This record gives sequence, structure tokens and C-alpha cells, in this order.
Amino acid sequence: GEDVEQSLFLSVREGDSSVINCTYTDSSSTYLYWYKQEPGAGLQLLTYIFSNMDMKQDQRLTVLLNKKDKHLSLRIADTQTGDSAIYFCAEEGGSYIPTFGRGTSLIVHP
Amino acid sequence: GAVVSQHPSWVICKSGTSVKIECRSLDFQATTMFWYRQFPKQSLMLMATSNEGSKATYEQGVEKDKFLINHASLTLSTLTVTSAHPEDSSFYICSASPGQGSREKLFFGSGTQLSVL
Repeated sequence: GEDVEQSLFLSVREGDSSVINCTYTDSSSTYLYWYKQEPGAGLQLLTYIFSNMDMKQDQRLTVLLNKKDKHLSLRIADTQTGDSAIYFCAEEGGSYIPTFGRGTSLIVHP
Repeated sequence: GAVVSQHPSWVICKSGTSVKIECRSLDFQATTMFWYRQFPKQSLMLMATSNEGSKATYEQGVEKDKFLINHASLTLSTLTVTSAHPEDSSFYICSASPGQGSREKLFFGSGTQLSVL
């Protein structure tokens, strides 16, 4: 079956880098996603990576994929208070429907 | 960017009543819409896939008679929670896709917080 695991909380100081980790079990995952959810809002796609890539960078965001270990991470450089949100890792193995992790609450403090 | 509008944002209802939640794609046609349920500190659980003009496909364990889905047009899907009970209280989110295969183009509504008294 499919399972996506991520830690529930991460606290960082403003200006530091944040690294949110995720592991998944489906070896046939084709795409892996990071979504952001602000309080009371829907999910916003931040970035995604295709399974044959090992890194993708988009401005302050860096996604690293270790396919052998089925490990995905999201690094946010120069974290700001506006980055405080819940971050969901998701994988999709060809069904066109992502399977989500439980979300990591990122708390950014001054 | 593309917008998915979900209404209402929150609703409080009495036990036994029915509640309808709407999901609209505002600037694209959505052949497929998805309905999720989210419990506090939990992930999104896919409830059903809604296809325009055909019956919705429900995930295992989701009661189709309890959660009625209607996708009558390319821009509107509705989820009706029938005879709601306190255990149905949850955050419901819809998402819409312009078409199958648009992996990156999955747009989410802002969610509906349902509280059943």
C-alpha cells in the first residue's frame, strides 16, 4: 500500500533555513509534491519533482529526492514569518491522484 | 492563476439536517474534481473523484448515500452531507483539474469547516 510519513512539527528562527523531511513507501511513485496550507485555507502547490530527478531548485525552495531511500526533503532558505504554515508531502504513482502525508507544521519565530 | 472557489467556508448545522458544499472552477473547465476530508492534525483523505456527466467514484469506506456528489457541469461539483451527525464534523476540501494527466495543475478550494451540533 501507499504510505507517506513526515514529522508533525518544525520550529525555526526567522532568517534560518528550514528543512522538512518526508518518506514514502510506493516505489512506483512518479511525481512527488510539496503543498502549503495556511490556516483555514486550501492547499497551494509549491513545487513538484519527477522521480528521475534528484534535485529541483525554485527561488528559496530546494527539493531533494533520494529515490533509493524513498526520502524527499524541502529546504526553505531565509525562512520568513509568512512561511509559517502546514507543509504536505504527497506522492503519485500514476493514478493522477496524490497520496498525502499528515503535514508538518512549520513555526517561524523571531 | 487558476482559481477554485469553495462555498461555504464554514457551516454549523443541527444533527439530522443535510448540508451542501459547492466547488467551482472559476476560469477553467474541470472534467475531474476531487473531494477530500481532513481531520485536525491529519492528512487529507480522498473521499471521492467526481467526473462531469458521470457517477462519482468513491474511495473504500466512504458511504455514497451519505456523501452525495453531483458534477453536473464542467465548472461545478457539489458534495451533500446527508443527515449529518457530529462525527461528520470535519474540514472538507475540493480540488479540480483541467484534465487527466495534468499532474501539476491540481487546484484546491479554500475548504469548508463543517460543525454538526
